[in-house]
Amino acid sequence: QKEVEQNSGPLSVPEGAIASLNCTYSDRGSQSFFWYRQYSGKSPELIMSIYSNGDKEDGRFTAQLNKASQYVSLLIRDSQPSDSATYLCAVSPGRSGGYNKLIFGAGTRLAVHP
Amino acid sequence: DVKVTQSSRYLVKRTGEKVFLECVQDMDHENMFWYRQDPGLGLRLIYFSYDVKMKEKGDIPEGYSVSREKKERFSLILESASTNQTSMYLCASSLGGPNEKLFFGSGTQLSVL
Repeated sequence: QKEVEQNSGPLSVPEGAIASLNCTYSDRGSQSFFWYRQYSGKSPELIMSIYSNGDKEDGRFTAQLNKASQYVSLLIRDSQPSDSATYLCAVSPGRSGGYNKLIFGAGTRLAVHP
Repeated sequence: DVKVTQSSRYLVKRTGEKVFLECVQDMDHENMFWYRQDPGLGLRLIYFSYDVKMKEKGDIPEGYSVSREKKERFSLILESASTNQTSMYLCASSLGGPNEKLFFGSGTQLSVL
């Protein structure tokens, strides 16, 4: 079992729809959770972080965390073609020793079509 | 803005060569990282440094070593390059602490022939 699992996609959604990206992790001691966006040929950039159970909203993005189910999700409302990218889920596992040594999922490719 | 600069965007080397990948950050960050990114596998941590001359192995350190002689510079060394080290290499830096965001360089696509 991979430590951080994501569906590779592609996830195809029409413009204006809600895109839902999911991620599960195996280490129950994980404390910090991140979503990075990576455009083709570019490096990852942070779009959301979440540390406690529940929802966290930032503009069109909402991150959801359920530690009991070991599940993190990212919702993108009013999806735009410019949101087309690979979304990487990253987790700071319990064995990180207080450092942000992240474990990344393989990413979900999102395609937003006009 | 934080800038993380990797010395080469593309690199082609021969099997058995010693390869140096350089990374420099300009924001006085304590932590620096080397990841490799392969299709279907995501980013995997090779080495991590939390201070000058301090380093820790990541999840896939075999075949690699690192050097951090100055706070701003973190080098990845392939002692004897092999074809299975063909990959995209990403350097990142961050402030200390478990919740700090990573700032990535633009990556080095290394091909070992």
